[in-house]
Amino acid sequence: SQQGEEDPQALSIQEGENATMNCSYKTSINNLQWYRQNSGRGLVHLILIRSNEREKHSGRLRVTLDTSKKSSSLLITASRAADTASYFCATDAIFTSGTYKYIFGTGTRLKVLA
Amino acid sequence: EPEVTQTPSHQVTQMGQEVILRCVPISNHLYFYWYRQILGQKVEFLVSFYNNEISEKSEIFDDQFSVERPDGSNFTLKIRSTKLEDSAMYFCASSDPEWGNKNIQYFGAGTRLSVL
Repeated sequence: SQQGEEDPQALSIQEGENATMNCSYKTSINNLQWYRQNSGRGLVHLILIRSNEREKHSGRLRVTLDTSKKSSSLLITASRAADTASYFCATDAIFTSGTYKYIFGTGTRLKVLA
Repeated sequence: EPEVTQTPSHQVTQMGQEVILRCVPISNHLYFYWYRQILGQKVEFLVSFYNNEISEKSEIFDDQFSVERPDGSNFTLKIRSTKLEDSAMYFCASSDPEWGNKNIQYFGAGTRLSVL
């Protein structure tokens, strides 16, 4: 799989259920970020997790990071219709110049049915 | 909380016209970036900029693109002669030069460019 590959590609759940999305990456990272994007709109930053962290919480969001498996998961608890969006993970990658870029996955399209 | 701001949120232009997308990075940041997202596709790295010069650029960033930091606060992306396929969301990002933070990029909300 490519760096920052999310699965599933699409997820449809009922309001109130939990939604879990996964991200896998190939090379070592310093940090990983999760973003939300409503259709045709900009990126909304959700959570940043550093490589020395295993879990972070923010409201109804929980992100885990397993660097040994090169994977991360985003859990949205008690989902709401307003959570309907695409969710992306992004991992940092270093150039030989010492600067960085982010590599984004193709995203998981979450649909929460009312 | 400081944030990266981008203007305009939506830019419409005619094919062949020049367009400038503007970004105001977070004030103490010294690394700047542009990314592009064609509708339905991944967000892709275009270019990074540090110390008034391009650090890295992708194969997408060809001669029709240029970046500039015209003053102490703005960072711009210019597309000289827009093509239909330049229609996309363009995201600006910046990062702090302090060690340990350089690899954390903060993204703006994006500018949607529509080329007609």
